[in-house]
Amino acid sequence: ETGVTQTPRHLVMGMTNKKSLKCEQHLGHNAMYWYKQSAKKPLELMFVYNFKEQTENNSVPSRFSPECPNSSHLFLHLHTLQPEDSALYLCASSHVLAENTGELFFGEGSRLTVL
Amino acid sequence: LAKTTQPISMDSYEGQEVNITCSHNNIATNDYITWYQQFPSQGPRFIIQGYKTKVTNEVASLFIPADRKSSTLSLPRVSLSDTAVYYCLVGNSGGYQKVTFGIGTKLQVIP
Repeated sequence: ETGVTQTPRHLVMGMTNKKSLKCEQHLGHNAMYWYKQSAKKPLELMFVYNFKEQTENNSVPSRFSPECPNSSHLFLHLHTLQPEDSALYLCASSHVLAENTGELFFGEGSRLTVL
Repeated sequence: LAKTTQPISMDSYEGQEVNITCSHNNIATNDYITWYQQFPSQGPRFIIQGYKTKVTNEVASLFIPADRKSSTLSLPRVSLSDTAVYYCLVGNSGGYQKVTFGIGTKLQVIP
C-alpha cells in the first residue's frame, strides 16, 4: 500500500467508448502525475499537476484529457482511443518541497486494453 | 535532463550481492541520483537516493564516486523476490519531478 489508489485496475474499452481512470492519494502531496507504460518501453510522463495546476503536457494526444479537481484526486478521461493506447497507466504523487527527496509514490496502475 | 545508461539485464544467484552500475556523464551540480524498483504490473517503488559518496538504507547501498558521473546500486544477498526492473534516475530533488525513466535493468534472480 503506497497511499496512492488507482481505479479501475483493469479496463477494456472499444475505440468509440468514453471512460475515465481515477487516482487518489492520501499522502498530503501536492503534485500528481500520469505515466504511460507500454510493453517493452520506458515509462512515459504524460501530465504533471503541481498544486492543481497543469505544469507539463508531454505532447499527449487530445484523446487523453486530464483533470485535477483538488490536490488529492486526479482523473484521466479517455475517448476515441486507438488500440496502440493499450498500456499500463500509472498515477504518482510527490511532495513539492525544496528539502525532501522528491520521491515519487506510484499507484498500482490501471491496465487498459483498447479493442 | 541528464541521461542515464544502465545494463538492460542481469542474472544473479540467490544469496549473492548484486551491483548495478548507471552512467550519467552529464549530471548537473544540483542533480540527485535516485533508484526505483518495479515488479510486473505494479508501479515503481523508491529504493534509495544519494548525492555523493555512499548512502545505505535497510534495502540497498548506493555508491557515488567523486566525479558523480556514475553510480552503483548494491543489493546485498538477493532473493527470488528481488527479481524486478531497477531504474536509475537523475534529477533535482524537491519540486515537482520531471524525471525521465529509461528502460531500466531487468534483474533475474536464479534459485
